Amino acid sequence: NAGVTQTPKFQVLKTGQSMTLQCAQDMNHEYMSWYRQDPGMGLRLIHYSVGAGITDQGEVPNGYNVSRSTTEDFPLRLLSAAPSQTSVYFCASSYSGPYRGHETQYFGPGTRLLVL
Amino acid sequence: DQQVKQNSPSLSVQEGRISILNCDYTNSMFDYFLWYKKYPAEGPTFLISISSIKDKNEDGRFTVFLNKSAKHLSLHIVPSQPGDSAVYFCAASDYYGGSQGNLIFGKGTKLSVKP
Repeated sequence: NAGVTQTPKFQVLKTGQSMTLQCAQDMNHEYMSWYRQDPGMGLRLIHYSVGAGITDQGEVPNGYNVSRSTTEDFPLRLLSAAPSQTSVYFCASSYSGPYRGHETQYFGPGTRLLVL
Repeated sequence: DQQVKQNSPSLSVQEGRISILNCDYTNSMFDYFLWYKKYPAEGPTFLISISSIKDKNEDGRFTVFLNKSAKHLSLHIVPSQPGDSAVYFCAASDYYGGSQGNLIFGKGTKLSVKP
């Protein structure tokens, strides 16, 4: 199993550009989520999904869109990048996620994004 | 307002000694707590967890203690090894309280274990 994979590892964008951060997992996990990590801020939840076709907002959803057309993939879209979106982005997944209550989330290696 | 607090940004410990990392929380509805370890340029990896019905959970060198009345948990690493040097995140979830089990993270504590 590859676990949770993320591409690209690093990206530089100009303000106003759009891009999609890819996330895939091969563990048949129902729950997937996106976090951003900023210096001194810990990890903050952007969006999450409890299964294919179902998504919901987390703590910091503004400026980001998600969709979940398959169990394996959960892309994060930046429609118009802003310098405030410079961060490290982590995707995570767990077997059944919030509806079982006590599940361990497995994280990908992260995407480092710089918006100029 | 922060619901999960790790008030020590960093901790330095000698190899072989005990490392104690602390975490406080404000939401009494939290019912599951986890510790993650993160090395630079890698994603967080799960370390150990504890349910609110327990006050201690042990896994090898790692032990987590939960004090519900004080809304406090701690991670003990004994003995500490240089490979334990990483950032440690405390996380909590409250499935029945409305967060649907999504994890809420503290800001992390950077542990340095010196040989």
